[in-house]
Amino acid sequence: NAGVMQNPRHLVRRRGQEARLRCSPMKGHSHVYWYRQLPEEGLKFMVYLQKENIIDESGMPKERFSAEFPKEGPSILRIQQVVRGDSAAYFCASSPSAAAGGDGYTFGSGTRLTVV
Amino acid sequence: EDQVTQSPEALRLQEGESSSLNCSYTVSGLRGLFWYRQDPGKGPEFLFTLYSAGEEKEKERLKATLTKKESFLHITAPKPEDSATYLCAVHSNGGATNKLIFGTGTLLAVQP
Repeated sequence: NAGVMQNPRHLVRRRGQEARLRCSPMKGHSHVYWYRQLPEEGLKFMVYLQKENIIDESGMPKERFSAEFPKEGPSILRIQQVVRGDSAAYFCASSPSAAAGGDGYTFGSGTRLTVV
Repeated sequence: EDQVTQSPEALRLQEGESSSLNCSYTVSGLRGLFWYRQDPGKGPEFLFTLYSAGEEKEKERLKATLTKKESFLHITAPKPEDSATYLCAVHSNGGATNKLIFGTGTLLAVQP
């Protein structure tokens, strides 16, 4: 079992470009969660998705950010027109059922986004 | 508003020197408190879940305890390989579904 796979591991974008972050959940997991870790801050919840549905996007900035989890393929976190303040580590977690935390709620290794 | 505060921010121990990390929380209703370990460049790795005051969980040199307002992660006779950032997170009754609220972590360094 390869675990939760995130790619790319590192991403550098110039201000104004688009960033696409991908997350492939563990086999058998249909629930995906995205978190952002800013320097010197804790992980902050962004969005919770099931296949083809956004369940909770209460932590997502209203503009420039979007997420999807299509029927086939990985979940995508998309950031349009990136700014320096978007520089952070973005983590994805997956779970086999609707549950928070615990040993079934597995995190990937993250994508480190740097905006220059 | 639900909140998690961890202390100290950083802790340096000698190998074999036991200590405790603190996690204080304020939530509308606790559904679970979680401890994670995070190594540099990696995602959080699950350690423990605690659900109710008085509960304790143990794993090797680590022991987690829970009261109505805080949780402690006790580290007994630590080794250098225990060096990592330890994160505390809660799942509360208030607000949205299935999101975890994290503290900012305690960076533990164990010197040989």
